[in-house]
Amino acid sequence: NAGVTQTPKFQVLKTGQSMTLQCAQDMNHEYMSWYRQDPGMGLRLIHYSVGAGITDQGEVPNGYNVSRSTTEDFPLRLLSAAPSQTSVYFCASTSGQKNSPLHFGNGTRLTVT
Amino acid sequence: GQQLNQSPQSMFIQEGEDVSMNCTSSSIFNTWLWYKQDPGEGPVLLIALYKAGELTSNGRLTAQFGITRKDSFLNISASIPSDVGIYFCAGRYTGANSKLTFGKGITLSVRP
Repeated sequence: NAGVTQTPKFQVLKTGQSMTLQCAQDMNHEYMSWYRQDPGMGLRLIHYSVGAGITDQGEVPNGYNVSRSTTEDFPLRLLSAAPSQTSVYFCASTSGQKNSPLHFGNGTRLTVT
Repeated sequence: GQQLNQSPQSMFIQEGEDVSMNCTSSSIFNTWLWYKQDPGEGPVLLIALYKAGELTSNGRLTAQFGITRKDSFLNISASIPSDVGIYFCAGRYTGANSKLTFGKGITLSVRP
């Protein structure tokens, strides 16, 4: 099992550009989520999904879109990047069963200039 | 909303020392998790606690789920250089699909 795989590992965008951060998991997990990590702010939930076709907003959803067409994939889209979106982004998944912990990918470091 | 407090933001200890980290909440949780993040990687689960009063060990790590369900602590004994990293606590109130609330993390430095 590869676990949770995120691509790319690094990305630089100019203000206004769009891009998609990819996340895939091979553990057949129902629950997937996206976090951003900023210095002194910890991990903040952007969007999450409890299953294919179902998504919901987290704590900081503005400027981001998600979709969940398959169980395995949960891409995060930035439609018009802003410098405030410079951050490290983590995708995570869990089976949704009781006592199942969250498994994280290795992150995507995004810089918006 | 729910908030988890971890302080201080940074800790500096000497190799071989023990260190204790606290996490407190304004709300009760029925699951407490402790994660460690190494530089350039995602957080990795260290210990999970599911019952008030539970004390769980994982090698040199020991964590406890507070009786009030509003706090948890993590102890690291006989620290080694590879203990360096960011330690996050996280809490969850309802089922596994409910959202986790994370603390802001404590950056641990270990001096050889």
